[in-house]
Amino acid sequence: AQKVTQAQTEISVVEKEDVTLDCVYETRDTTYYLFWYKQPPSGELVFLIRRNSFDEQNEISGRYSWNFQKSTSSFNFTITASQVVDSAVYFCALSGGAAGNKLTFGGGTRVLVKP
Amino acid sequence: DSGVTQTPKHLITATGQRVTLRCSPRSGDLSVYWYQQSLDQGLQFLIQYYNGEERAKGNILERFSAQQFPDLHSELNLSSLELGDSALYFCASSAGDSRSYGYTFGSGTRLTVV
Repeated sequence: AQKVTQAQTEISVVEKEDVTLDCVYETRDTTYYLFWYKQPPSGELVFLIRRNSFDEQNEISGRYSWNFQKSTSSFNFTITASQVVDSAVYFCALSGGAAGNKLTFGGGTRVLVKP
Repeated sequence: DSGVTQTPKHLITATGQRVTLRCSPRSGDLSVYWYQQSLDQGLQFLIQYYNGEERAKGNILERFSAQQFPDLHSELNLSSLELGDSALYFCASSAGDSRSYGYTFGSGTRLTVV
């Protein structure tokens, strides 16, 4: 069975600090997809990134960057120079392989950015 | 606007009642997924439909059922409601049945059972 673990339940930072969210996944499949979603206080789930298991290239999008390491089954997410608007719950998720298309979510990490 | 429309946004109902949540997928998307987000269980997959047919089932209770209609909208029916069914219910859609497609989530229906 697939499993996603986000060990950090809550992180509090001061604006402009960097914050890294950890995500560790478990799967027996060789082909799978990893995702990050943001859930702001308004409640909707906002897609941030999708990465397939064959693409270990790190990605940067503005202040966001992702570090995918298959050797440690981790897909960590860093927000550089955090802003108050980054305050949200962030979910890491996994799909693919025997589990099919359904997303298996981690428990989420609440990020609080203080001004 | 993600393109996935969920109605209603909020629903308050009593225990034992039955409710229907509705989801219209993004234009062109054939797959619809339902997820439940509760405080104790987190975000959990309930069920997936692809072009009108059930494709995958998760931890969906027998009191819950869903269907996808010819126009591709989907409904999630929750019956004999219990306090523990209070949650945020999300619908997501994707273009096809391929795992390589991304998912687009609706804004959710917040169900409160009193």
